[in-house]
Amino acid sequence: IAGITQAPTSQILAAGRRMTLRCTQDMRHNAMYWYRQDLGLGLRLIHYSNTAGTTGKGEVPDGYSVSRANTDDFPLTLASAVPSQTSVYFCASSDGWGQPQHFGDGTRLSIL
Amino acid sequence: GESVGLHLPTLSVQEGDNSIINCAYSNSASDYFIWYKQESGKGPQFIIDIRSNMDKRQGQRVTVLLNKTVKHLSLQIAATQPGDSAVYFCALTEDSNYQLIWGAGTKLIIKP
Repeated sequence: IAGITQAPTSQILAAGRRMTLRCTQDMRHNAMYWYRQDLGLGLRLIHYSNTAGTTGKGEVPDGYSVSRANTDDFPLTLASAVPSQTSVYFCASSDGWGQPQHFGDGTRLSIL
Repeated sequence: GESVGLHLPTLSVQEGDNSIINCAYSNSASDYFIWYKQESGKGPQFIIDIRSNMDKRQGQRVTVLLNKTVKHLSLQIAATQPGDSAVYFCALTEDSNYQLIWGAGTKLIIKP
């Protein structure tokens, strides 16, 4: 079934550690996104990529980095995790402007 | 910047009744609007979208209404079922960089 695959599904991480969240899509969408969702709140955009080879900053980019080496993969890296990065992280993709974004089922990350 | 808000954080509806979830936005340049459903432990799921050149669009049991004069968007769910229990988000774009601006969400509770 086509869609977004995120890994891991959950992770507990010690503060100060480096962590990469993986995201792969098989829909050949140009644009990909990373959001975080804190308890009881909406989604906030961390980083995005309009097309392979380009990335941009969203609303809350500090402490996160991304890369887009190819169309399918869009990993999110926490260089040195802090407790405030405890959240659920969602990856999404879309075919372009004015098209719906399709989401994975998220990575639940706890930083201790 | 743009802001997107919801009138009610929680909505309780009797099973079989119609549900109406509302969303207000502030930027009259907003041009693409979308509703998502998020079930517990899952990523947001696309329900229906509408562009600014339309004021109504219908799907299966759902209707989205757009009133650009008062900058208001609503999602109507007909004959609400237990499976409709979820958090519903409105989101919009206002330019061509693919980014969605999200509302905080409304939790829909279905009473038996």
